[in-house]
Amino acid sequence: NAGVTQTPKFQVLKTGQSMTLQCAQDMNHEYMSWYRQDPGMGLRLIHYSVGAGITDQGEVPNGYNVSRSTTEDFPLRLLSAAPSQTSVYFCASRGGVGNTIYFGEGSWLTVV
Amino acid sequence: GEDVEQSLFLSVREGDSSVINCTYTDSSSTYLYWYKQEPGAGLQLLTYIFSNMDMKQDQRLTVLLNKKDKHLSLRIADTQTGDSAIYFCAETGYALNFGKGTSLLVTP
Repeated sequence: NAGVTQTPKFQVLKTGQSMTLQCAQDMNHEYMSWYRQDPGMGLRLIHYSVGAGITDQGEVPNGYNVSRSTTEDFPLRLLSAAPSQTSVYFCASRGGVGNTIYFGEGSWLTVV
Repeated sequence: GEDVEQSLFLSVREGDSSVINCTYTDSSSTYLYWYKQEPGAGLQLLTYIFSNMDMKQDQRLTVLLNKKDKHLSLRIADTQTGDSAIYFCAETGYALNFGKGTSLLVTP
């Protein structure tokens, strides 16, 4: 049982490039989400999904796309990277006792 | 939307108790959580409390919940240098809503 797995852990992008952050969970949780963490801003919700085929916008969705074709996977796509997207990204899934959120280890993204 | 509020910094001496406070927004939150984040790492669930409880104790951790005031606190007894980290409270809504985190510094 690996929990929530995110890749890559570190990435440097040039402005305008696109990329996908991968997220997978093996706990059969319906709910998955992506957060970004910036200094002094705490965690902000980008997108979330309550089940396969269903996604919705969070607090800061602009510049990001998600899809949920399976229960296990919830990739986050940066369409055209901007320096403002330099951040630490956390994928999370939610379920089980206490409806607990489980986080991945984070992806450090720098856009130059 | 409304924010979950936490003080940003707390400094305590090793061996003392630490109390981290949080004011949340959604009175219908079913669960309230405390997470710990060490430098360069992800968020680790410390504990959670069900909304119909007033208190929960788990070893050195005590969570107090005042639903009337929407106030949540985390007390760490006998604080150690390894407790130095950022602590986040979070409430459940349709998504999990986090505070900005309290940086706890434990000095020898």
